[in-house]
Amino acid sequence: GAGVSQSPSNKVTEKGKDVELRCDPISGHTALYWYRQSLGQGLEFLIYFQGNSAPDKSGLPSDRFSAERTGGSVSTLTIQRTQQEDSAVYLCASSSAAHDTQYFGPGTRLTVL
Amino acid sequence: DQQVKQNSPSLSVQEGRISILNCDYTNSMFDYFLWYKKYPAEGPTFLISISSIKDKNEDGRFTVFLNKSAKHLSLHIVPSQPGDSAVYFCAASYTGTYKYIFGTGTRLKVLA
Repeated sequence: GAGVSQSPSNKVTEKGKDVELRCDPISGHTALYWYRQSLGQGLEFLIYFQGNSAPDKSGLPSDRFSAERTGGSVSTLTIQRTQQEDSAVYLCASSSAAHDTQYFGPGTRLTVL
Repeated sequence: DQQVKQNSPSLSVQEGRISILNCDYTNSMFDYFLWYKKYPAEGPTFLISISSIKDKNEDGRFTVFLNKSAKHLSLHIVPSQPGDSAVYFCAASYTGTYKYIFGTGTRLKVLA
């Protein structure tokens, strides 16, 4: 009965480095979402997966951001050549179907120095 | 272009009194609204939802009101408890989309 888990919980990196953030959704949940919360801001939608495919990537801020999902389960959000403005909490959520209640993970706090 | 707005960044309420958190939206296509609660260092947790076919939904101490003509919804917590102290986010969606648009949140502090 585990919930959504994310790793790492905290990540500090230097500007220009690549980072990978991982999300393990609730077992059986077909829908998976990535959000970003910058300081003082609301949750910003990044990308949605239905199964392994991403019908909408329009929320990704730039081509430095990419995400994939394999086996309809684990998802990885990759940020290449990180910039200081990428510093934020990255949240993952899953739901049993689109438009159902989303269950969030604890987030990964990314700090780019 | 914020489609979902929470204009009060913070709110303080005395324990036992009513807390009212407000949310305004601009997109008339939104037909499903949710409130989430977030404690520090945790992800948001679902609190209560309302569909546009209703104007009120109640769950224990929590009631959400929807005024479609004003494009406004509110969350009432009665009575407020210190454990309710958290950041509250409203979110909106519409049929046919998987995307939720979140407000910026209101930090509620319930004073003992």
